[in-house]
Amino acid sequence: DSGVTQTPKHLITATGQRVTLRCSPRSGDLSVYWYQQSLDQGLQFLIQYYNGEERAKGNILERFSAQQFPDLHSELNLSSLELGDSALYFCASSVGRTVVNSPLHFGNGTRLTVT
Amino acid sequence: SQKIEQNSEALNIQEGKTATLTCNYTNYSPAYLQWYRQDPGRGPVFLLLIRENEKEKRKERLKVTFDTTLKQSLFHITASQPADSATYLCALDNYGQNFVFGPGTRLSVLP
Repeated sequence: DSGVTQTPKHLITATGQRVTLRCSPRSGDLSVYWYQQSLDQGLQFLIQYYNGEERAKGNILERFSAQQFPDLHSELNLSSLELGDSALYFCASSVGRTVVNSPLHFGNGTRLTVT
Repeated sequence: SQKIEQNSEALNIQEGKTATLTCNYTNYSPAYLQWYRQDPGRGPVFLLLIRENEKEKRKERLKVTFDTTLKQSLFHITASQPADSATYLCALDNYGQNFVFGPGTRLSVLP
């Protein structure tokens, strides 16, 4: 058990809708990362927050947004959903502000299906 | 352009043999490289981290090498067991901003 909790485990929704994915990091970890994993793209970095502030941005679409709250949990909001957004969304956490020598601890993901 | 390649999509080996997985990268200069294991429907699990100035790192039956000249990391599992069957991902630091993951190699250890 990594200590990272993601909810919900599964989400089925229709195109055009908006959903919120939630992540609670491992106790003591200040950084939260969001990754998207699809069959053809592998694990793609979306965004990182450190102690409530956005620290790094990857291939995150404008329709997607995230935030980290004072209690360090994070939410990823996906709006105007398209079929191509169907994927596994992972949250990971680490102790430090930078990733360089900190392992990432992943949750078990939210599987999003857009119909 | 930047690219990370892992030797093959799938690798089948016989139980007891050594599995060797390859991670090659182009146009990155990672100071750190990590290996993760991912089981179906689960998140990746951290296995090993190696720094650019370390040639080799070991942990139980696992060994990782990192050659910055060849731009390659090798991941070995000795005395492999069916329970080692999983997808293995290499990840390298992208100028300290985040970790970029390779596409993974699906390893099957046959009894």
